[in-house]
Amino acid sequence: KNEVEQSPQNLTAQEGEFITINCSYSVGISALHWLQQHPGGGIVSLFMLSSGKKKHGRLIATINIQEKHSSLHITASHPRDSAVYICAVDDDGGADGLTFGKGTHLIIQP
Amino acid sequence: AAGVIQSPRHLIKEKRETATLKCYPIPRHDTVYWYQQGPGQDPQFLISFYEKMQSDKGSIPDRFSAQQFSDYHSELNMSSLELGDSALYFCASSPKDRFNYGYTFGSGTRLTVV
Repeated sequence: KNEVEQSPQNLTAQEGEFITINCSYSVGISALHWLQQHPGGGIVSLFMLSSGKKKHGRLIATINIQEKHSSLHITASHPRDSAVYICAVDDDGGADGLTFGKGTHLIIQP
Repeated sequence: AAGVIQSPRHLIKEKRETATLKCYPIPRHDTVYWYQQGPGQDPQFLISFYEKMQSDKGSIPDRFSAQQFSDYHSELNMSSLELGDSALYFCASSPKDRFNYGYTFGSGTRLTVV
């Protein structure tokens, strides 16, 4: 079973700062997902990665398959970015079900 | 755009009661996944269905069962509820080719067992 580690667990930053959240996993994957969870529980899929880099607005996600590591970056952070960001992986064996990291609780202060 | 719909949003049950949670995937998604997220915990995969057949099974207790219907919606049936079953239960849907199209998540059902 994959072990997914995220850092930091908690992050408080000022509006406008550049944010980086890291994720590492232990065994091969088919895809890595960055998810956003707001209070109340709803989850939004931000990115699905199997290689390289993706960008959507102020969000950038990168993955290094050889190093089993991914990062999520937020440029020009805003208070509305405050949420829990979760890294989750689809294991390489084809089994259903994502394996989740414990999430990074991000607070952006005005 | 239509999202994954879950009902109810909130549910309060007493110990030993039963509960039924529903998940409606987005159109053209034929696979449904159920997850349980306890307070302060990361989500755990329970069970999945593809084309109305169980596809994979995770850490689903024997007291729970689930099925997928002909319209692709799925129901999670929970019996003999325990206090420890209090959690956010969310579902996700995908087409079979999830590695190209990814998942869409529902907002979850928050179950409280008292």
